[in-house]
Amino acid sequence: AQSVTQLDSHVSVSEGTPVLLRCNYSSSYSPSLFWYVQHPNKGLQLLLKYTSAATLVKGINGFEAEFKKSETSFHLTKPSAHMSDAAEYFCVVSDRGSGGSYIPTFGRGTSLIVHP
Amino acid sequence: EAQVTQNPRYLITVTGKKLTVTCSQNMNHEYMSWYRQDPGLGLRQIYYSMNVEVTDKGDVPEGYKVSRKEKRNFPLILESPSPNQTSLYFCASSLVWSNGENEQFFGPGTRLTVL
Repeated sequence: AQSVTQLDSHVSVSEGTPVLLRCNYSSSYSPSLFWYVQHPNKGLQLLLKYTSAATLVKGINGFEAEFKKSETSFHLTKPSAHMSDAAEYFCVVSDRGSGGSYIPTFGRGTSLIVHP
Repeated sequence: EAQVTQNPRYLITVTGKKLTVTCSQNMNHEYMSWYRQDPGLGLRQIYYSMNVEVTDKGDVPEGYKVSRKEKRNFPLILESPSPNQTSLYFCASSLVWSNGENEQFFGPGTRLTVL
């Protein structure tokens, strides 16, 4: 069975400093991995995804993530935080379930707080 | 504009009173899904649909029903709501879902309170 663990429920950074949001997963097969962002009172928006191509994935708004199979990790990074990055971030793994369909499993989310 | 719409956005109801939350997408997507979001739990899938007339249970289907009579609509039905169904609900759609690789597009959410 697949699972996703977001290692931090909250991450606090100062504007202009690097961001690291950590995600570990478990999967029986070769999963697809996603990061979504949710701004307050909004729906979720895709930041980036990994689908077995390049292991370093670039997304929108300067975010990127690296797929490391040996560490079963898919951490999200950004070199310099902006106030507008303050939001909830979800790591998602999509893998084939027992019934044959692909099931998306969401992490519990990491709240990114950006201080001026 | 390509979008997923949900109605209502906010709903306060009482235990046992049947309700329906509508979801519609205008992107001709095959795959649609319902999630509930609870604090500290992330999003959990309730039901999903791979195409018209094809629906299946997600992780937390108890107390919910869905139907997919048309490609664009995927209503969520609570026949007898209970307070533990108080939550934030999201509908999502995706082009196809045969390999789980495609982006899901999310609606704005429906905040449901069951008293």
